[in-house]
Amino acid sequence: DTAVSQTPKYLVTQMGNDKSIKCEQNLGHDTMYWYKQDSKKFLKIMFSYNNKELIINETVPNRFSPKSPDKAHLNLHINSLELGDSAVYFCASSQDFGNQETQYFGPGTRLLVL
Amino acid sequence: KQEVTQIPAALSVPEGENLVLNCSFTDSAIYNLQWFRQDPGKGLTSLLLIQSSQREQTSGRLNASLDKSSGRSTLYIAASQPGDSATYLCAVNTGGFKTIFGAGTRLFVKA
Repeated sequence: DTAVSQTPKYLVTQMGNDKSIKCEQNLGHDTMYWYKQDSKKFLKIMFSYNNKELIINETVPNRFSPKSPDKAHLNLHINSLELGDSAVYFCASSQDFGNQETQYFGPGTRLLVL
Repeated sequence: KQEVTQIPAALSVPEGENLVLNCSFTDSAIYNLQWFRQDPGKGLTSLLLIQSSQREQTSGRLNASLDKSSGRSTLYIAASQPGDSATYLCAVNTGGFKTIFGAGTRLFVKA
């Protein structure tokens, strides 16, 4: 009964391909996030969704398109993958609108673009 | 622009030692500060969350303090154990669902 789950855990693909990463949370949270952790281990926010609506888009290339079919899911689709997209992508969720809540993270998806 | 810095970048201590990890941020207008633990190849686990109105939070052997005016937080780990070995990340919530992370402190506790 994992709280925040991501699939796949590992993803190896060729440059130029299109891929998707899925995230699901069973915590009943209203807000979900995508983060990118680069090779230097810096975690940077990419997107935030609250009640299926986009709240934050942190200057992410439009090759990245998040989709939230419902409050429990936030998927990330990446078009025309580039070498620099190689990183670990983390999904997270928090309870409510507002900024007082703990964020719960998924295990990460390790993407390697060859 | 908010920047979060963690010092030291890496730390190695013998088992049983008490230690302090430091986090500093440039803009004191924060909603909260959170300390996370990341194990190799794993996701992040929340350790402590300090609201902007609070000065400290405690959980077991961990104590986190927050001094908003000086832009600093510390994570104190008492009686360290080998199982505490991990990367510890500090993150500040600047509002609007935006959280800024530090680069982390890699801790190694030797048995």
